[in-house]
Amino acid sequence: NAGVMQNPRHLVRRRGQEARLRCSPMKGHSHVYWYRQLPEEGLKFMVYLQKENIIDESGMPKERFSAEFPKEGPSILRIQQVVRGDSAAYFCASSPYHSGTEAFFGQGTRLTVV
Amino acid sequence: GESVGLHLPTLSVQEGDNSIINCAYSNSASDYFIWYKQESGKGPQFIIDIRSNMDKRQGQRVTVLLNKTVKHLSLQIAATQPGDSAVYFCAEKKNTGNQFYFGTGTSLTVIP
Repeated sequence: NAGVMQNPRHLVRRRGQEARLRCSPMKGHSHVYWYRQLPEEGLKFMVYLQKENIIDESGMPKERFSAEFPKEGPSILRIQQVVRGDSAAYFCASSPYHSGTEAFFGQGTRLTVV
Repeated sequence: GESVGLHLPTLSVQEGDNSIINCAYSNSASDYFIWYKQESGKGPQFIIDIRSNMDKRQGQRVTVLLNKTVKHLSLQIAATQPGDSAVYFCAEKKNTGNQFYFGTGTSLTVIP
């Protein structure tokens, strides 16, 4: 059973470009969480999705950031018009049910904006 | 707002000694706590969890203690090994809401 898969592992974008980060949850998991981690800091919640629904996006910046989890395919975190401050590691986690226990994390995508 | 913080940002221990990593939380309504381990370049990995109706839980070489009176959580690692070197995060999940709140993390270095 493959774990949570994120791609790409590393992504370099110039300021103003778009970044698309993908997350395939573990098999059987229908709940996906996105977190951002700045250097030397903890994980900051961004958004929680179920298939085709955004459940909680209280941690998402109001502009330029969006997320989706379609019926088929991976969850996508999209950052439009990236700025240097978007440089961070973005982690995706999945769980089989919301009110349960731990979430399983992917290896993360390290975004660098130049 | 709520916060989950760690007392010490770094910790160095001799191989074979026991390690204790501490965590303070501020929301007494939290009902579930997890310790994660994050190695360099990798995603967080679950270590052990504890619910608020428990004071102690043991795993393989690890023990988590929860003191609700002072809102304190600790992770004890017995006979620390070089492979235990990593950043350790505590996280809390409230009985309402959808997300885990993570602290900054403690970097554990095991000296051979």
